[in-house]
Amino acid sequence: SQQGEEDPQALSIQEGENATMNCSYKTSINNLQWYRQNSGRGLVHLILIRSNEREKHSGRLRVTLDTSKKSSSLLITASRAADTASYFCAINTDKLIFGTGTRLQVFP
Amino acid sequence: EAQVTQNPRYLITVTGKKLTVTCSQNMNHEYMSWYRQDPGLGLRQIYYSMNVEVTDKGDVPEGYKVSRKEKRNFPLILESPSPNQTSLYFCASSWDRGYTGELFFGEGSRLTVL
Repeated sequence: SQQGEEDPQALSIQEGENATMNCSYKTSINNLQWYRQNSGRGLVHLILIRSNEREKHSGRLRVTLDTSKKSSSLLITASRAADTASYFCAINTDKLIFGTGTRLQVFP
Repeated sequence: EAQVTQNPRYLITVTGKKLTVTCSQNMNHEYMSWYRQDPGLGLRQIYYSMNVEVTDKGDVPEGYKVSRKEKRNFPLILESPSPNQTSLYFCASSWDRGYTGELFFGEGSRLTVL
């Protein structure tokens, strides 16, 4: 399968802790994107990192990309209960292919 | 407000009864796409459209039809729904298929076929 594989499938942490999610893929990519989905709602774009970029920041989010290892990570720092959601990576080849997601639960 | 609007949000129907899920975007996007989301399978693309009158199959097109007569609308048609089409459906739009920018998603349509 070309899709990204997220790891872990589920993650539970306390407010204030950092959350790290990983995405691995098998093919060459144009870019890699991370999306967030609150339960039963539509996906919302978080960040896009191009294949020639290694790291990108947006607020409390930090994304890294290692094209030699075909992997990416999403770090959410100082997590909040409102960060509770599913997070998906999507690899862009000639189309956007989504992984199966990481379910993040942040306890107050 | 920029948005992708899907209707209906929830629908329970019976096997064989034709239904249409509408999708409309107000961002003048060229690219629109339909996905279905099932537990453990992630999002799978059903059909997509690069522009008006241009549609192509995604990964799971069987049992579905689409049309793109206007730029803003991209309805998903289930001619004869079956229980295996019970799923959460998302419409999405973008400037350029995600090459340089993001996909904008609708809020989803939860379909149950009995």
